[in-house]
Amino acid sequence: AQSVTQPDIHITVSEGASLELRCNYSYGATPYLFWYVQSPGQGLQLLLKYFSGDTLVQGIKGFEAEFKRSQSSFNLRKPSVHWSDAAEYFCAVVGSGGYQKVTFGTGTKLQVIP
Amino acid sequence: DADVTQTPRNRITKTGKRIMLECSQTKGHDRMYWYRQDPGLGLRLIYYSFDVKDINKGEISDGYSVSRQAQAKFSLSLESAIPNQTALYFCATSDEGRRGYTFGSGTRLTVV
Repeated sequence: AQSVTQPDIHITVSEGASLELRCNYSYGATPYLFWYVQSPGQGLQLLLKYFSGDTLVQGIKGFEAEFKRSQSSFNLRKPSVHWSDAAEYFCAVVGSGGYQKVTFGTGTKLQVIP
Repeated sequence: DADVTQTPRNRITKTGKRIMLECSQTKGHDRMYWYRQDPGLGLRLIYYSFDVKDINKGEISDGYSVSRQAQAKFSLSLESAIPNQTALYFCATSDEGRRGYTFGSGTRLTVV
């Protein structure tokens, strides 16, 4: 069965500092991987996705993520965090079967301090 | 207008009442989904539909029902609301799961 683990429930970083949010997945084949962001009072917005090819993928708002098959990880990074990045971030894996089941992680809440 | 619109945005209802949450989309996607979000649990799938005649149960369908009235409309009903159905509910659409979802802004439901 596919699964996603986001080990950090809450992270606090200073504005301007770098950010890395961790995501580990379990899936029997090559996964389709996603990061979503949820701002307060909003729905989830797709940040970036990985299907195949280059293991470093770029997304919106200056975010990037790196797929590491050997570590079953898909960590999200940003070189310099802005106060507006404060939100909750969800990693997700999509299966390749007919239904293409999506499994979401439990989320990491990011707090940005001045 | 938003691509995926959910109504109402907030709702307080009493235990035992029937309530319907509505979702409409302008993306032209065939696939629509209802998720429930609880703190610390992430998003859990309630029901999904791949077209008007295709309705499927998700992980936590007990106590819920859905109706796909048209390609663009997908409603979630709680036949007899109970307090542990208090949660944030999201509707989402996709043309296929691997392209990612478009989410609505959510309905915050409180059952008292």
